[in-house]
Amino acid sequence: IAGITQAPTSQILAAGRRMTLRCTQDMRHNAMYWYRQDLGLGLRLIHYSNTAGTTGKGEVPDGYSVSRANTDDFPLTLASAVPSQTSVYFCASSEAGGPDTQYFGPGTRLTVL
Amino acid sequence: GQNIDQPTEMTATEGAIVQINCTYQTSGFNGLFWYQQHAGEAPTFLSYNVLDGLEEKGRFSSFLSRSKGYSYLLLKELQMKDSASYLCAVRDGDYKLSFGAGTTVTVRA
Repeated sequence: IAGITQAPTSQILAAGRRMTLRCTQDMRHNAMYWYRQDLGLGLRLIHYSNTAGTTGKGEVPDGYSVSRANTDDFPLTLASAVPSQTSVYFCASSEAGGPDTQYFGPGTRLTVL
Repeated sequence: GQNIDQPTEMTATEGAIVQINCTYQTSGFNGLFWYQQHAGEAPTFLSYNVLDGLEEKGRFSSFLSRSKGYSYLLLKELQMKDSASYLCAVRDGDYKLSFGAGTTVTVRA
């Protein structure tokens, strides 16, 4: 593994189903983030974690939950998917201190029907 | 909340220069970032400004004026591979990034 990986690459999901998007980083970054990207709206922060064991809500957290059991993994769960959650989801990580630049995973394209 | 504005689209010719402007209003300021995003791919980091002035990195330069809430990304000697979306992002007082909607740059031969 090099950098950040996300799985699955894409998924079509029936409304009402539960779905977990996976994110793993091997850079030992303290902070991790989940964004969704929709046409014309740019990237919007869903949830974040400044360090293992802590999480926080971003701009659009409703309908999503996260956990941060260890440094490397930051899964995003949709408890009961709705069509408005159709989007491209990006996971990112950053090392606290300095410019704290965020580096992004390849994304998951999710379609909820 | 954050308000970040950048043009939706720009078109330029190969070899030319293009300047992408970004204006912002944020609660607190802890740096401004520019990312490049090719279609269907992840954003990749281009530049970071936290102090006023110009940061140059090869063909790309980024400028910041904190008093004016203004930044620009300058792309010189445009190449076809520079066709992409360019995202302006501001880090606020809580160290969270807010992104503009992005500027799609099309480079024509």
